[in-house]
Amino acid sequence: QQPVQSPQAVILREGEDAVINCSSSKALYSVHWYRQKHGEAPIFLMILLKGGEQKGHDKISASFNEKKQQSSLYLTASQLSYSGTYFCGTETREIQGAQKLVFGQGTRLTINP
Amino acid sequence: NAGVTQTPKFRILKIGQSMTLQCTQDMNHNYMYWYRQDPGMGLKLIYYSVGAGITDKGEVPNGYNVSRSTTEDFPLRLELAAPSQTSVYFCASRRAGPQAEQYFGPGTRLTVT
Repeated sequence: QQPVQSPQAVILREGEDAVINCSSSKALYSVHWYRQKHGEAPIFLMILLKGGEQKGHDKISASFNEKKQQSSLYLTASQLSYSGTYFCGTETREIQGAQKLVFGQGTRLTINP
Repeated sequence: NAGVTQTPKFRILKIGQSMTLQCTQDMNHNYMYWYRQDPGMGLKLIYYSVGAGITDKGEVPNGYNVSRSTTEDFPLRLELAAPSQTSVYFCASRRAGPQAEQYFGPGTRLTVT
């Protein structure tokens, strides 16, 4: 039931782009994205509810492909502050409304100057 | 608003000891959660609550107990601590609704030796 994230780790130079994927074997109701800095709590980035929905915040955006049961997080022109581990949390349709997230294993993003 | 607060921040337990991890939120959220995060891994749901007096098991409930007597507090009890319970524990809360984000506490780092 745990969603699978890919890649597991990415190393970029400042200004480069990255894509992080989150795939589920079950039909999804919503996808949440969080970023966690080392030794800190996860911080909310965005929620996607509807198939085909896309959201953006600064240079970080995400899409949700309901048919493929996956979501992608896009980081454009990455900044040093984007470094951290990114988690997707998914709510499946079979427990829709339970408001219970299952998190992926995380993608570690390192941005170098 | 203090958000979600957790105490203690760090704790070392001996095998077989018991302890309670405290979690309080001041946002009047109905939903509260306990997660554990092992080094380099994602978040695993231990227990959750949809309101005062209502709790349910998550993915990894063995060795833990919870109670929810008030909206604000959601303590996690460890009985007979084992080395496998060495982890970082995060409490989170969320209001009702599909667009609601989860707010995480700062975490409790627990070592069982």
